[in-house]
Amino acid sequence: KAGVTQTPRYLIKTRGQQVTLSCSPISGHRSVSWYQQTPGQGLQFLFEYFSETQRNKGNFPGRFSGRQFSNSRSEMNVSTLELGDSALYLCASSYGTGYSPLHFGNGTRLTVT
Amino acid sequence: AQKITQTQPGMFVQEKEAVTLDCTYDTSDQSYGLFWYKQPSSGEMIFLIYQGSYDEQNATEGRYSLNFQKARKSANLVISASQLGDSAMYFCAMREGKSTGGGADGLTFGKGTHLIIQP
Repeated sequence: KAGVTQTPRYLIKTRGQQVTLSCSPISGHRSVSWYQQTPGQGLQFLFEYFSETQRNKGNFPGRFSGRQFSNSRSEMNVSTLELGDSALYLCASSYGTGYSPLHFGNGTRLTVT
Repeated sequence: AQKITQTQPGMFVQEKEAVTLDCTYDTSDQSYGLFWYKQPSSGEMIFLIYQGSYDEQNATEGRYSLNFQKARKSANLVISASQLGDSAMYFCAMREGKSTGGGADGLTFGKGTHLIIQP
């Protein structure tokens, strides 16, 4: 079974631009969640989707948004990029919500200059 | 207050020795799940083991076991017979019961322990 696939692996953007990251979950998994990882703040929860509905959202500004499609694939968008948005963005999928273990992708490394 | 505390920023261990990585947590929920993840330098987070708050037995998965002490709010990861490939960052994480109902915070991670296995 293929794992969680995130594209692209690396991105370099300029302040003020916007970016879209993509995530394909493991086949059969209906829940997708996103996490931001930085050296200073560690791993922080962004949002979780299940069956195209956002179920949970972390404490991030409205510039961070996401969506899930009917095939469970997900995208997250960051608008008006700031230097502090430079991070590893990890997508994870699980069969359900609750205590189902999350299976993570390799991440997208975003650098904002 | 930190919800997940990992007190060992880094550890050096000799190959083949057993390793215990510490994790304490803070929650007022009765229902919660505890997870351990491994993150090699490649960046991918690898799920290792899960313990539910109502599980009476400690979880085990191959060389990994979780020493769950509910009264002390402790969920230490034990790796038996360490191998060079175990060198990585290890994260303890918790999902609280209120998350299952929506509107909460997903997984809360600790700051991690950087484990280095020496030959």
